[in-house]
Amino acid sequence: AQSVTQLDSHVSVSEGTPVLLRCNYSSSYSPSLFWYVQHPNKGLQLLLKYTSAATLVKGINGFEAEFKKSETSFHLTKPSAHMSDAAEYFCVVDPPSNDYKLSFGAGTTVTVRA
Amino acid sequence: DAGVIQSPRHEVTEMGQEVTLRCKPISGHNSLFWYRQTMMRGLELLIYFNNNVPIDDSGMPEDRFSAKMPNASFSTLKIQPSEPRDSAVYFCASSSRSTGSDIQYFGAGTRLSVL
Repeated sequence: AQSVTQLDSHVSVSEGTPVLLRCNYSSSYSPSLFWYVQHPNKGLQLLLKYTSAATLVKGINGFEAEFKKSETSFHLTKPSAHMSDAAEYFCVVDPPSNDYKLSFGAGTTVTVRA
Repeated sequence: DAGVIQSPRHEVTEMGQEVTLRCKPISGHNSLFWYRQTMMRGLELLIYFNNNVPIDDSGMPEDRFSAKMPNASFSTLKIQPSEPRDSAVYFCASSSRSTGSDIQYFGAGTRLSVL
């Protein structure tokens, strides 16, 4: 079984400063991991995906995430926050190939101060 | 590709009425998922279809909920009769696991309010 813990329910940053969203996972296999973003009144959009090809994954809108197996972490970062980054972010673990149920973190709400 | 298309975007109804939510998955995708999102419970998987066949409906809250997928390009989620506690955002997602791509693509959701 797999599970996901997003360590912060809410993160507030100033525009132009770095953003760090923390995610830890537990899994009995080598997982695929995702970050999704949900803007207000919108569906979930894939930011990036890790599938073991490289530990540092670059996504859309300047986001990137680093997979650290030793720490079972998959933290999401962006060097400089923009007002449009205000949204909810979900860390997600993909099940093994014989399963289909994604495991969603509880979400982190990001607010960006002008 | 237009992505996953859901309709309606918003639905307001009165308790006891029947509600039908619709979803058109991405063309070529063979897996379809219905989710419900609430503040209290987050994202919950309601039902999963593969090749138009319901594989797992264990997340469907009760018999008032039913889902169908008559063909590869259309699915419905029906609530009859609706209750105020059904108020939530309902998402449809599709993926193509058979090709090795397991990314789920989400629609914009239907915001349901049951008065």
